[in-house]
Amino acid sequence: SYELTQPPSVSVSPGQTARITCSGDALPKKYAYWYQQKSGQAPVLVIYEDNKRPSGIPERFSGSSSGTLATLTLSEAQVDDEADYYCYSLDNSGTLRVFGGGTKLTVL
Amino acid sequence: QLQLEESGPGLVKPSETLSLTCTVSGGSMTTSNFYWAWIRQPPGKGLEWIASKYHSGATYFNPSFGSRVAMSVDTSKREFTLILSSVTAADTAVYFCARHAVVTAAEDWFDPWGQGTLVTVSS
Repeated sequence: SYELTQPPSVSVSPGQTARITCSGDALPKKYAYWYQQKSGQAPVLVIYEDNKRPSGIPERFSGSSSGTLATLTLSEAQVDDEADYYCYSLDNSGTLRVFGGGTKLTVL
Repeated sequence: QLQLEESGPGLVKPSETLSLTCTVSGGSMTTSNFYWAWIRQPPGKGLEWIASKYHSGATYFNPSFGSRVAMSVDTSKREFTLILSSVTAADTAVYFCARHAVVTAAEDWFDPWGQGTLVTVSS
């Protein structure tokens, strides 16, 4: 089996920068992807291939990856950014698709 | 714009078989490198990938489901299905369908997703 480890929760004040981490042994060789899931909604891709933003995602969202740690950074956090954030990647064999446990972002 | 919508029974009895359908609109089902996938989320918990299938047949399964899972893709009907047998209460979850990009061994993601459908396993 393979696991991606995220902190259960992160809390910031409006206007501050939030950082959510994702740890996994295969991340040096595999891209990390990030999803935002607001309450009662489907997940939305906000970062792909470690640091790329899909069209329509605000520039406030950015990603990085170094070694076994990927990071989602949300600059100038807004109340509307409150959601669960999940990282996603593959194991070293490239066959097992895995999501992290999710991080609840609170902005207040 | 590609859209996906799940449908199926909201209640399934223990030991029976769960069957869900995802209807695809607004885009092709046969584009290279795009599979069709099912992902689930138990109430209050995280996301779990179940399986993915290409229009021409190749399939990836999450080994944690063993032989309980099957998928089919019917491009003429613009839909794909999930079959999960011998269900238990642990299979109660919101089930999402999604398009699954499989470009290389590292470039692999799900987008977009359907809105999800809740399936409860209970007698």
